[in-house]
Amino acid sequence: QSVLTQPPSVSGAPGQRVTISCTGSSSNIGAGYDVHWYRQLPGTAPKLLIYGNTNRPSGVPDRFSGSKSGTSASLAITGLQAEDEADYHCQSYDSSLSGYVFGTGTKVTVL
Amino acid sequence: EVQLLDSGGGFVQPGGSLRLSCAASGFPFDINAMSWVRQAPGKGPEWVATIGGIGSRMFYADSVKGRFTISRDNSKNTVYLQMNSLSAEDTALYYCARNRGSGSYYNYSFDTWGQGTLATVST
Repeated sequence: QSVLTQPPSVSGAPGQRVTISCTGSSSNIGAGYDVHWYRQLPGTAPKLLIYGNTNRPSGVPDRFSGSKSGTSASLAITGLQAEDEADYHCQSYDSSLSGYVFGTGTKVTVL
Repeated sequence: EVQLLDSGGGFVQPGGSLRLSCAASGFPFDINAMSWVRQAPGKGPEWVATIGGIGSRMFYADSVKGRFTISRDNSKNTVYLQMNSLSAEDTALYYCARNRGSGSYYNYSFDTWGQGTLATVST
């Protein structure tokens, strides 16, 4: 059972904006630890999408943005494209578990 | 090009052992912390273990503590995961990943991943 909760699925039409939430607690996100986001296409390894709450690695388009507030974080995808259909995972550190934790994962569907 | 190549997975009976390897290239290996992350079929990723750049610090998920050992050979640009006392719950695709971050390791992300190597524990 993951300590970071995400909605199982979100969907949107091409061109729309979708957001994915990642809800934690006072021992992880609420403690001030950074949140990172990954995209995982079927049959492939996760790929870093956002690091340090809001930063994009080189090559990640600015359609992807991250934010964090209190015990939660969010990933926003604007201008939704067919290639954005994938699983998305948040990740942080948890002081109670003394280790890194991943979210429950969200499947994004482009209608 | 930054690259991680995972190997060593296979089929093993409960109670058995496996040693996974991850060969790194394209970046200064010895200054980067490295980790293993696993993903069971149909599940999300689960962090397993991390080792510091010079190998002075290792830490583990509670689910593998005492059974798994992470190590590295900086002369070979390789990180290892020795897995002992395996059970069916350890069946997963195991990914090697490079840690990214400055300052506290608490805020590390995983910025480069291997292709994964499958470990199957079954009778």
